[in-house]
This record gives sequence, C-alpha cells and structure tokens, in this order.
Amino acid sequence: DQQVKQNSPSLSVQEGRISILNCDYTNSMFDYFLWYKKYPAEGPTFLISISSIKDKNEDGRFTVFLNKSAKHLSLHIVPSQPGDSAVYFCAALYGGSQGNLIFGKGTKLSVKP
Amino acid sequence: NAGVTQTPKFRVLKTGQSMTLLCAQDMNHEYMYWYRQDPGMGLRLIHYSVGEGTTAKGEVPDGYNVSRLKKQNFLLGLESAAPSQTSVYFCASSYSPSPQETQYFGPGTRLLVL
Repeated sequence: DQQVKQNSPSLSVQEGRISILNCDYTNSMFDYFLWYKKYPAEGPTFLISISSIKDKNEDGRFTVFLNKSAKHLSLHIVPSQPGDSAVYFCAALYGGSQGNLIFGKGTKLSVKP
Repeated sequence: NAGVTQTPKFRVLKTGQSMTLLCAQDMNHEYMYWYRQDPGMGLRLIHYSVGEGTTAKGEVPDGYNVSRLKKQNFLLGLESAAPSQTSVYFCASSYSPSPQETQYFGPGTRLLVL
C-alpha cells in the first residue's frame, strides 16, 4: 500500500502563474517531508523540506504547506518558470532518519512560455 | 568536486549474469544509499550504509548485496540478475541521516536485464 501518494501524474501551467503540486500520505508516524526535483537523465535534487511540527516553509519561489489533520502537503511555485519543468517527487520519513525515506511516484510539471 | 558519480551509466545483462554497480562520493559523507526507480514509480531504497564497513537493508533488499569497504565507495551487486531488476539505479550520499542534511544523488545507472 502506498504510504506517499501523488495522485496527479502531470500538471501543465503557464509561465508566470502559480504551480501547485499535491501530496497525500497515510502514515501518521512521518515526521519530516521533503520535495525533490528531477530532470531527465539526472538524479533527483533536493528542493525544500518541512518538519511535521510546522505548517509552512518558504524558500524563494518555493513554499511547502503541511496540513497534518488532512495528511496532505503541497508545493507552491510562484512564479513558475520554464526551467521549473521537471518531475517533482514528494518524500516522507519517520524516526528522523533518511534510512526510512519513502517517495511518491512523482508529478511531471510542464511550464509553458 | 565531482559530487556523487556512478559507474556504469548503462548496462545490458542476460538473466542469471552478475554485475556490480559502483558509487563514489568525494564529499566525505558518512551515509550512502542505493535506490531503484521503476517506470511510473517513485524511488525505493534498496540498501544503505551508515559508515565504512556497515550496511543495512532498505525497503526492497532482496536480490541485491552491498559493500562499503571504503568510506567514499558503495557497491551494489546483483549475483544472478532477473528481468524484474530492470530499472534505473540511483546512489545518494549525505553527511548524516538527519532530514536537515541533504541527500545528494548521482546521475543514475540504467540496467536492462533480458
């Protein structure tokens, strides 16, 4: 059973608009959530993270929101740029260890000029 | 500073053959990880290492063995390859297991088992 779910395989937005990528999880023991970005033929790169004790974390154009009661998090990219076109993976871990990192299936974001 | 490198980039094996994937990092990281990514799936942890000479099982360890004889290298072995092991394999490293420490990923090894 998938513990981290990204239900939208793809998302297309116009340059300059907001991109919202969603992620749901089932395991209430998760205590940290991360977003990774992946370009074709490259490894994932870390984007932003949030602890379960917070509800928002912001880094430049990227903001992650966490709703623990709904077991839902989202990544907002504002404004979206063509270079943001990539696959975005949501990941979660428990026990404070990256040895317990669980990834979602990813959402492919396309930002059109 | 090359970061995390993986060798080879691409390999084709026949069922039953063996091979070793090499991961090297030059960031003096203690922790290293091996993941696999299947089409339409997220990354799944195969094995990881908390330091030289130590290894631990991840989510999908069956059919794989690992070794960490040197701090900078983490080897992933397939003793008898099966078509189900066709995947893209990613290695990663981090300074510590803490979620505040970034995992740095290599570019991946694409493996096809016929």
